[in-house]
Amino acid sequence: NAGVTQTPKFQVLKTGQSMTLQCAQDMNHEYMSWYRQDPGMGLRLIHYSVGAGITDQGEVPNGYNVSRSTTEDFPLRLLSAAPSQTSVYFCASRGTGVLNTEAFFGQGTRLTVV
Amino acid sequence: KNQVEQSPQSLIILEGKNCTLQCNYTVSPFSNLRWYKQDTGRGPVSLTIMTFSENTKSNGRYTATLDADTKQSSLHITASQLSDSASYICVVSEASYDKVIFGPGTSLSVIP
Repeated sequence: NAGVTQTPKFQVLKTGQSMTLQCAQDMNHEYMSWYRQDPGMGLRLIHYSVGAGITDQGEVPNGYNVSRSTTEDFPLRLLSAAPSQTSVYFCASRGTGVLNTEAFFGQGTRLTVV
Repeated sequence: KNQVEQSPQSLIILEGKNCTLQCNYTVSPFSNLRWYKQDTGRGPVSLTIMTFSENTKSNGRYTATLDADTKQSSLHITASQLSDSASYICVVSEASYDKVIFGPGTSLSVIP
């Protein structure tokens, strides 16, 4: 199994540009989420989804959009990139319910906004 | 407010030595606690899970402990190896809303 696949691995954007970070999982997990990780800080939740067609905001949602049209895919869109969005982005998936709390992470996308 | 704190923030030890990382949490109601290892440039990977009734759990050279009364957990690494250099993240699951709360992590460097 591939697990959680994120693309691209690296990206440089100019301020104001838009782009989509892709995330796909093949474990039939209902729960998917996007985090950003900044130096010296823990993982912060951007958006999450508990199933196809359902999304919700996390801790730091501003400047990002998500959609969940299928169980497998959960893309993250940056609408108008800002230098403050320079970070490493991780997508994760897990089962739902209190007995399925192990999160499986992608390899990360290192984004630089100049 | 549900929070997870970890100490120390960073740690440098010599290869072969032991070390202990700490995690304190205020998450309630508590479901379980996981320790993740995050190698540089990679996503976190789960090392161990502790439920309310478990005090100690081992995974090779890693031993996790949980004191649910004081809401503290520790991760003990025995006979450290260079490959143990990573960030170790404590993650607590909240029972009522199926949420997970991440700690800030402890950065461990093992040097020869």
